Amino acid sequence: EAQVTQNPRYLITVTGKKLTVTCSQNMNHEYMSWYRQDPGLGLRQIYYSMNVEVTDKGDVPEGYKVSRKEKRNFPLILESPSPNQTSLYFCASSPDSRNSPLHFGNGTRLTVT
Amino acid sequence: AQSVAQPEDQVKVAEGNPLTVKCTYSVSGNPYLFWYVQYPNRGLQFLLKYITGDNLVKGSYGFEAEFNKSQTSFHLKKPSALVSDSALYFCAVRVPGFQKLVFGTGTRLLVSP
Repeated sequence: EAQVTQNPRYLITVTGKKLTVTCSQNMNHEYMSWYRQDPGLGLRQIYYSMNVEVTDKGDVPEGYKVSRKEKRNFPLILESPSPNQTSLYFCASSPDSRNSPLHFGNGTRLTVT
Repeated sequence: AQSVAQPEDQVKVAEGNPLTVKCTYSVSGNPYLFWYVQYPNRGLQFLLKYITGDNLVKGSYGFEAEFNKSQTSFHLKKPSALVSDSALYFCAVRVPGFQKLVFGTGTRLLVSP
């Protein structure tokens, strides 16, 4: 089944404890992206990757890192999480960055205390 | 700069009645426009898109949307609502040549039996 898989689905952590949210897609998509969803703010892009050679910041990259060592994986790294990073996170992928629709994972709900 | 507005936080309709979820956009160029739906505890799912051509676009689950260039709108419609259509709906816009897909803040659709 074609899908974007995120893990974990739920995560509770404490301020400053490094964490990684994994994202993997099995559709051979070039483009991958991370979003956070907050009430009243919709989805905001954190980082995106055009392909394994190109990664760039989105609208809210502060406090996050990503890597794209291989096409299928695009982990999101929080080196020192803070409470304002409590949010619902989505990974998404598409064949390209033009007019193809995004395929989304089921989300990771992160709580930082 | 690209932006998307969904002026209604919530839309309520009775089952069997037509529904409209509004979306307006602001871009400097010809837009690609998308609608996504989010069910509880799930990622966003693609409904339909407008790239070029016919202003009336048909999508999944009986939904359609009308692109109106003069009013810079892309309203989502369905002739007869179902209770199962109750969900959170997001409009999104991308300008060709730019890598970012910008989302609106979402509209919660409630369909009563």
